[in-house]
Amino acid sequence: QQPVQSPQAVILREGEDAVINCSSSKALYSVHWYRQKHGEAPVFLMILLKGGEQKGHEKISASFNEKKQQSSLYLTASQLSYSGTYFCGTLGGSQGNLIFGKGTKLSVKP
Amino acid sequence: DSGVTQTPKHLITATGQRVTLRCSPRSGDLSVYWYQQSLDQGLQFLIQYYNGEERAKGNILERFSAQQFPDLHSELNLSSLELGDSALYFCASSVAGQGNNEQFFGPGTRLTVL
Repeated sequence: QQPVQSPQAVILREGEDAVINCSSSKALYSVHWYRQKHGEAPVFLMILLKGGEQKGHEKISASFNEKKQQSSLYLTASQLSYSGTYFCGTLGGSQGNLIFGKGTKLSVKP
Repeated sequence: DSGVTQTPKHLITATGQRVTLRCSPRSGDLSVYWYQQSLDQGLQFLIQYYNGEERAKGNILERFSAQQFPDLHSELNLSSLELGDSALYFCASSVAGQGNNEQFFGPGTRLTVL
């Protein structure tokens, strides 16, 4: 039931783009994205809800394909500050707890 | 700074011992979540409390227990510790009890069992 993230790791140069994918074998109600920098706590990025609603605090775009039970996080014109591990968390219903994927490690080099 | 505090920051103990981790949620948040993070397993949900009541339970071992007090701070008790319990333990809080809320994570407690 744990969502599968891909790729496991990616290395970018500043200014390059990246896509991180999250897929589930179960029907999803929502997908949540968090970023964790080394030695720090995870920080909320975005929630994508069934039906198209999105809640987020940063200029990061993402998509949620309910039929395919997949979400993708789009990081464009990457900056050094984007480095970290990105986790997706999935919810099967409006209640319940998040199940997180194993993370995608993103490294942005100058 | 998320506004969530956790103590202690580091804890080193021996197998068989018992420890208590403490978490204070952000002001106004009623839900507290506990997660365990190890290198190979990622973030594993343990348990959630909402306004003093247990709301959801994950794969929390029987040796682990938690509670949320009237002032909304929470404690996670780990007993009969084993080497495999060594991990980073995060507490997170959110305003409401439903899963579809932004969670604010504390800085974590790193537990080392020797």
